[in-house]
This record gives sequence, structure tokens and C-alpha cells, in this order.
Amino acid sequence: NAGVTQTPKFQVLKTGQSMTLQCAQDMNHNSMYWYRQDPGMGLRLIYYSASEGTTDKGEVPNGYNVSRLNKREFSLRLESAAPSQTSVYFCASSSYGGTEAFFGQGTRLTVV
Amino acid sequence: AQSVTQLDSQVPVFEEAPVELRCNYSSSVSVYLFWYVQYPNQGLQLLLKYLSGSTLVKGINGFEAEFNKSQTSFHLRKPSVHISDTAEYFCAVSDGNTGKLIFGQGTTLQVKP
Repeated sequence: NAGVTQTPKFQVLKTGQSMTLQCAQDMNHNSMYWYRQDPGMGLRLIYYSASEGTTDKGEVPNGYNVSRLNKREFSLRLESAAPSQTSVYFCASSSYGGTEAFFGQGTRLTVV
Repeated sequence: AQSVTQLDSQVPVFEEAPVELRCNYSSSVSVYLFWYVQYPNQGLQLLLKYLSGSTLVKGINGFEAEFNKSQTSFHLRKPSVHISDTAEYFCAVSDGNTGKLIFGQGTTLQVKP
């Protein structure tokens, strides 16, 4: 069982570069989420998608865009990376109603 | 708006001693409550969850938590910890509708031999 798969696992970007973080789940879940984890701040929601074709902003959406490509895949794009976006990014998914979220292994992003 | 406060950023404890990690939440609606564990350089794994029913919830690895509505708390406990329990623990709340999670700041449990 793959669960939630994120790529890449590590990435170093220069300020101003763009990149897309990929996420796929094989549990037939309706909802998918992107969080960022920073020391002492827990995880904060960037964007989420309640179902295929819909996306909504979370707590910290500035500087990010998302695409819900199909039911399985939810990508996060940084158009112009900034050092403040250095973080660990987690993708998660849950069935409708959100009784439990399953997390990927994370992408450690450094912007220099 | 919902919020979660984990009252201790670090909890050092000796092996085989009991431990309690404290979590308080605020919400104007009914909530689902969760504890997740994160081992170094890994993703988050669900320890236990409270959705409804019995206020004492048992999870994996011998952990349990008690939902206290009057005190808006959901403290995590284990009667005897092991070295392998060293990790970061996150308390989280969801409205049970969108599935969006609001996390606490995290508590690092350091189990010493």
C-alpha cells in the first residue's frame, strides 16, 4: 500500500525559481491537503481540495498555487520561491468528513 | 475559529516512567480530536482519535487520551514509556466537515535511559 506519495523528497531552489511539488494518493479519498511545517509552529494549512475540481485557501496561501489534476493527484506550485518558503511540506488526504488524514513522507525545501 | 495549544514544547522523561502530554483546544462547534506522532525525518502517523462516544480513547503503542469537554482538553498519556517513543507529538482538531486540521505547536518527547 503506497498511501500518499510525494515527490521530490528534497529540493534546493534559488530565490525566484519556480517548482511544483507532486502528491498522489491511492486510497480513493475525496479530500486532499497541503501543509507546511516550521519549527515551533506545528503544521499550517496552505490549500486544500474538498473534492475533484475544487480548491480553497488555507491559513497561509500567499506565494502558492495548487491544482487538483484528478481525484488522485494534488500539486503545489511555487511561482517565485522566497527564503521564507524554506520549510517541510506535507501532503495529506482524507475521506469525506475528515475522520482521519493520511500524510505523505514530506518534501524538505530549502530556498537560498 | 478553532485553535489548539500544546502546553509543553519539550517533555524529558526517563524510560519506564509515565508521561502526559497536554493539549487544550477552543472551538465553537463540535470537533474531532487527534494525536499524531512524527519520528525524525518522517511523516505524521495517527496515534489515536476522538470522534464521539467514550471519552477515553485508546491508540497504538500503548497511548491513550481523555476528551474533557468542560475543560476543553485532550491530554495524551502513557503509563510506561520506551526509548522508541522519542518523537514529536502533535495534537490537532478538525470540524469534521472539511477535514481541515488545526495543529498545535508540537511537543518533543525525549525519553532518557
